Amino acid sequence: SQQGEEDPQALSIQEGENATMNCSYKTSINNLQWYRQNSGRGLVHLILIRSNEREKHSGRLRVTLDTSKKSSSLLITASRAADTASYFCATVAADRGSTLGRLYFGRGTQLTVWP
Amino acid sequence: GAVVSQHPSWVICKSGTSVKIECRSLDFQATTMFWYRQFPKQSLMLMATSNEGSKATYEQGVEKDKFLINHASLTLSTLTVTSAHPEDSSFYICSARGQPSGYEQYFGPGTRLTVT
Repeated sequence: SQQGEEDPQALSIQEGENATMNCSYKTSINNLQWYRQNSGRGLVHLILIRSNEREKHSGRLRVTLDTSKKSSSLLITASRAADTASYFCATVAADRGSTLGRLYFGRGTQLTVWP
Repeated sequence: GAVVSQHPSWVICKSGTSVKIECRSLDFQATTMFWYRQFPKQSLMLMATSNEGSKATYEQGVEKDKFLINHASLTLSTLTVTSAHPEDSSFYICSARGQPSGYEQYFGPGTRLTVT
């Protein structure tokens, strides 16, 4: 399976703390994306990192990618209660034979930020 | 920009009836739309990929005759759950990709289907 796997499954922190979520995958990728989902809602795209990139920033988000270890991490700095949500990593396979742009989702990390 | 809507946001239907869910890209043309299913506290499971003007490609294990997908225009795709049963109750989410080579997907808000 190309499915990514997030770790931890659940994370509970206080406001102001940093939150780190990890994602591992199994096959060669074109890119890896992180999405956020509030309970009962659709997904919101957070950030995309390509296979030839090692780190990317967007506001309070920092994503790293280690293709040799087939892993990625999402760091949310100075977390807020509004960051409470599920976070999913999704990979796009490098194999051009697969459906272009098909996303393989992990199980997600449920982040709870307490005020 | 890049807004995707779904209608309805929730629906309750009786067992044996059919339900249609619409997915629209509001401000861009979606060459490809994806339909996902999500169970509580679970990840998204891709059901099918639809390209405008052609037949949908279904994932293994997804019944084509039960989950009918039509992508009639560059802004609209529909998923029809035929002869719904309680086990079809789930959260259905669509996403759209605007460019043939673009990798970002824009997700709709989801449709909660409950079959009684």
